[in-house]
Amino acid sequence: QKEVEQDPGPLSVPEGAIVSLNCTYSNSAFQYFMWYRQYSRKGPELLMYTYSSGNKEDGRFTAQVDKSSKYISLFIRDSQPSDSATYLCATQGSTNAGKSTFGDGTTLTVKP
Amino acid sequence: DTGVSQNPRHKITKRGQNVTFRCDPISEHNRLYWYRQTLGQGPEFLTYFQNEAQLEKSRLLSDRFSAERPKGSFSTLEIQRTEQGDSAMYLCASSPKIRFGNTIYFGEGSWLTVV
Repeated sequence: QKEVEQDPGPLSVPEGAIVSLNCTYSNSAFQYFMWYRQYSRKGPELLMYTYSSGNKEDGRFTAQVDKSSKYISLFIRDSQPSDSATYLCATQGSTNAGKSTFGDGTTLTVKP
Repeated sequence: DTGVSQNPRHKITKRGQNVTFRCDPISEHNRLYWYRQTLGQGPEFLTYFQNEAQLEKSRLLSDRFSAERPKGSFSTLEIQRTEQGDSAMYLCASSPKIRFGNTIYFGEGSWLTVV
């Protein structure tokens, strides 16, 4: 079993929809949680970065972490065609100094 | 800030040949990471450097793989006697020295196809 499991998708939504992307993790030592966006044949780009449980908002994006259930979510409001990409969740422990463990990604398509 | 630069972007090689990838991190980032990503999978950690010291290596990094970061600047990842299973995108990332947590910045990746 992988340490980080991500809903595989693919996910297709109409423009303007609210998108929910989800991951679960198994290692209680994970303390930092990230969401990356990856366009086809490009490197991942950091979108959101959170520490501990709670919500963090940045524009149309909200990251949510529930450490009690080991559940990570990313919400995208008013989705745009330009949001079409693969979204990767990632986690990290306090002592791993940058070694991140990634989910396998969810591919999102936002249709105009 | 020109971002993390990786070369070559694409490499096609015959099985058994050696290949080398180069990564130039964001200037003044003292940590540098190598990850590998195959189609439909997330990136998998291979190794990381703090300055010129290689501090951690994944068990994924077999004896055929070697990474260096001379002088703590650019890094190279060499794969000897390539196998078809080595076909993947090799991602380099860098980060500044941090007090806690981590934000790492990825390059565009180097695609390797072993035929």
